[in-house]
Amino acid sequence: DQQVKQNSPSLSVQEGRISILNCDYTNSMFDYFLWYKKYPAEGPTFLISISSIKDKNEDGRFTVFLNKSAKHLSLHIVPSQPGDSAVYFCAASELNRDDKIIFGKGTRLHILP
Amino acid sequence: DAGVIQSPRHEVTEMGQEVTLRCKPISGHNSLFWYRQTMMRGLELLIYFNNNVPIDDSGMPEDRFSAKMPNASFSTLKIQPSEPRDSAVYFCASRGLAGVGTQYFGPGTRLTVL
Repeated sequence: DQQVKQNSPSLSVQEGRISILNCDYTNSMFDYFLWYKKYPAEGPTFLISISSIKDKNEDGRFTVFLNKSAKHLSLHIVPSQPGDSAVYFCAASELNRDDKIIFGKGTRLHILP
Repeated sequence: DAGVIQSPRHEVTEMGQEVTLRCKPISGHNSLFWYRQTMMRGLELLIYFNNNVPIDDSGMPEDRFSAKMPNASFSTLKIQPSEPRDSAVYFCASRGLAGVGTQYFGPGTRLTVL
């Protein structure tokens, strides 16, 4: 049973436009959410996170939005660049269980020239 | 900083053979994690250690899998006997005291069991 769901296996976006990656979760005990980015033949790297006490966190071109009532979060990349082509994993952890991160299956983002 | 080091990067073996995957965490990190990535299940946590002690192994699929961390700079994940369904990419990650977002992943070991 997937507690973190990324329903879009892949997404193609024109360079310079906005990329929006979506993630849904089922566990109401999750209170910390993360996005990781993965290039081929490399391990995932941490990108951005958000605590459940906030509904938005921004870091440069990357913004994560959290809608707790809908159990939904999204990652916005503006503007999209060729180097953003990668697999993006949504992840979550419960309060006081931050060692155990539950990952989604990932969304492959293609930035088109 | 060399980052998390995993070896081998690729392993091809035959069903029934023993497989040992190795991981060297980032120096000074006190937590180590083993993950497995498959198409069907995505990235799943198998086991993690804090200060060389196994804390949660509930993700280990079955008794054929075992993991050890004899010291702060080395960990192994062993599969004995291996089966074709174990074919996957296995990642090791480590984390210091800085917080939940800072798990640093190694490049992974791609395991193929024929």
